[in-house]
Amino acid sequence: GENVEQHPSTLSVQEGDSAVIKCTYSDSASNYFPWYKQELGKGPQLIIDIRSNVGEKKDQRIAVTLNKTAKHFSLHITETQPEDSAVYFCVPFHGGAAGNKLTFGGGTRVLVKP
Amino acid sequence: GAVVSQHPSWVICKSGTSVKIECRSLDFQATTMFWYRQFPKQSLMLMATSNEGSKATYEQGVEKDKFLINHASLTLSTLTVTSAHPEDSSFYICSARDSGNTIYFGEGSWLTVV
Repeated sequence: GENVEQHPSTLSVQEGDSAVIKCTYSDSASNYFPWYKQELGKGPQLIIDIRSNVGEKKDQRIAVTLNKTAKHFSLHITETQPEDSAVYFCVPFHGGAAGNKLTFGGGTRVLVKP
Repeated sequence: GAVVSQHPSWVICKSGTSVKIECRSLDFQATTMFWYRQFPKQSLMLMATSNEGSKATYEQGVEKDKFLINHASLTLSTLTVTSAHPEDSSFYICSARDSGNTIYFGEGSWLTVV
């Protein structure tokens, strides 16, 4: 099965600074790479995703970069704001296999200090 | 964006009773839904994968007779915790996959067994 690791496990940044979270995975067949944000007491919310035929995707202050050769993808948050404080999960996935399950990374707890 | 709704968002039940949690995809059809359990400050743990019209696939260590999963339609999956005990108290989250293999999560359901 897929082995997923996230680094760092906790990240504290000053408001306005950038935050970067890296996710490494083991299954070379993975072709869909989403990032989810989970606030306290809520379900994970999809914030950005990328598919294997693209190297980078950006949505306002959030971007994801993918290195399929090295099997890792990263979440970049620029100009961080206090509302970015949450736990972020990477969930690499082989979307073509109907029976495949999602394997979550351990999560990264991000704290943005005002 | 796509919405997955869970109900109830929180429930308290007496030890020994059963409780049902519903997961609905509101604006798309989901052939596959997933059920997770999450303990405080931990990542999501996959319990089972539910495919419409067939039996759920349970992860190792998850009791299928205790956590009954039904996926009777393309928009509804249910998780029934039977003969609940205090150790079953947890945050339960469902997710659903759309036709583009994007995964969306519900808001989660807090279960407290007293």
